[in-house]
Amino acid sequence: ILNVEQSPQSLHVQEGDSTNFTCSFPSSNFYALHWYRWETAKSPEALFVMTLNGDEKKKGRISATLNTKEGYSYLYIKGSQPEDSATYLCAFSSPGNQFYFGTGTSLTVIP
Amino acid sequence: GAGVSQSPSNKVTEKGKDVELRCDPISGHTALYWYRQSLGQGLEFLIYFQGNSAPDKSGLPSDRFSAERTGGSVSTLTIQRTQQEDSAVYLCASSLRQGASSETQYFGPGTRLLVL
Repeated sequence: ILNVEQSPQSLHVQEGDSTNFTCSFPSSNFYALHWYRWETAKSPEALFVMTLNGDEKKKGRISATLNTKEGYSYLYIKGSQPEDSATYLCAFSSPGNQFYFGTGTSLTVIP
Repeated sequence: GAGVSQSPSNKVTEKGKDVELRCDPISGHTALYWYRQSLGQGLEFLIYFQGNSAPDKSGLPSDRFSAERTGGSVSTLTIQRTQQEDSAVYLCASSLRQGASSETQYFGPGTRLLVL
């Protein structure tokens, strides 16, 4: 079993603040790193898939970076809005097509 | 097109009963995954299918769990003789290609199982 860790476990920020959280994963046997957003009562929604060291992806106010050599990825949210409140999950996938999810970071944006 | 659907959305059952959970993947998606999330835990990988076959069943928690997929489409996850620790949200996901773990997975809404 591969260990994927996310921190912090939960986060409360004020509307308009920028924030970031971390996903740590094994640097060996890496294939891809996925970020998902999971809102309450909805399905997890894919945000990014990154495969190359140094990859940076952006979608609106959300962006992510990847460091495969040291085994971490950061997710950034600029100017947080209440609708950003959700659990953000990262998942490490191996060439064997197994996915290992972290426990998520629960973000609450306070209006 | 339609997304991944799962049924039932909620299931309450008594300890010892069998339950069957269903997943309809996105049409044309050849890879299908089952996960569960127990209270306070992360998503736990259970099994994946490439077409109708499951190359790796080691993620299934016990021999009370089984899964099958027919016609390269619908999949059912069966839990026999349910126990209280089986209570969880069971999520299904599908992706377009087989054996491509850089592919985005599209998740269904989940089945919330409560074993009394």
